[in-house]
Amino acid sequence: GESVGLHLPTLSVQEGDNSIINCAYSNSASDYFIWYKQESGKGPQFIIDIRSNMDKRQGQRVTVLLNKTVKHLSLQIAATQPGDSAVYFCAENNDRDDKIIFGKGTRLHILP
Amino acid sequence: DTAVSQTPKYLVTQMGNDKSIKCEQNLGHDTMYWYKQDSKKFLKIMFSYNNKELIINETVPNRFSPKSPDKAHLNLHINSLELGDSAVYFCASSPIGAANEKLFFGSGTQLSVL
Repeated sequence: GESVGLHLPTLSVQEGDNSIINCAYSNSASDYFIWYKQESGKGPQFIIDIRSNMDKRQGQRVTVLLNKTVKHLSLQIAATQPGDSAVYFCAENNDRDDKIIFGKGTRLHILP
Repeated sequence: DTAVSQTPKYLVTQMGNDKSIKCEQNLGHDTMYWYKQDSKKFLKIMFSYNNKELIINETVPNRFSPKSPDKAHLNLHINSLELGDSAVYFCASSPIGAANEKLFFGSGTQLSVL
């Protein structure tokens, strides 16, 4: 079965506030994690990734945190903008598998 | 200069018909994929090809047949379409298909079976 994800919830955030999207995974062998953003009518787009030898990685306005102890991954978006409205997916992979497993996604809704 | 392009964008057809979706990537990647996204946005891999060779074949009905004429193209043919085939189909590619690579997705083909 699938080892990553959430039910598809909606997170509503005020424009300008920070957003935190969470993801749980169950495969302790997973060693590579990715966040994708999918805007309406488009394909998923890579945002940021992290390998299991790290617990934090920062990009432009985004930070991914990995807690291997509790098998938890989060995506933090600073100063959320209207253009951040999308469905966000976490995904995982490991060296033994040839495929990336996607979680079920979280819809981020920006309030004006 | 689209990286991964798939056609058509929308496909509406009757049950029992046969249809194809085409995908091309100009990134020089070795590995291409087909994913299916259902109405709840769940993304599930169907197939992957590395340099024209089938690598991943999930438990997909035999009515689905991928074909890769060269490493830049991966087409999906679906026979005897069923209502449950209605979904958005995404093509994707990655450089070599290693475990730790990001995927580049096309914009999707929304298939509606009536």
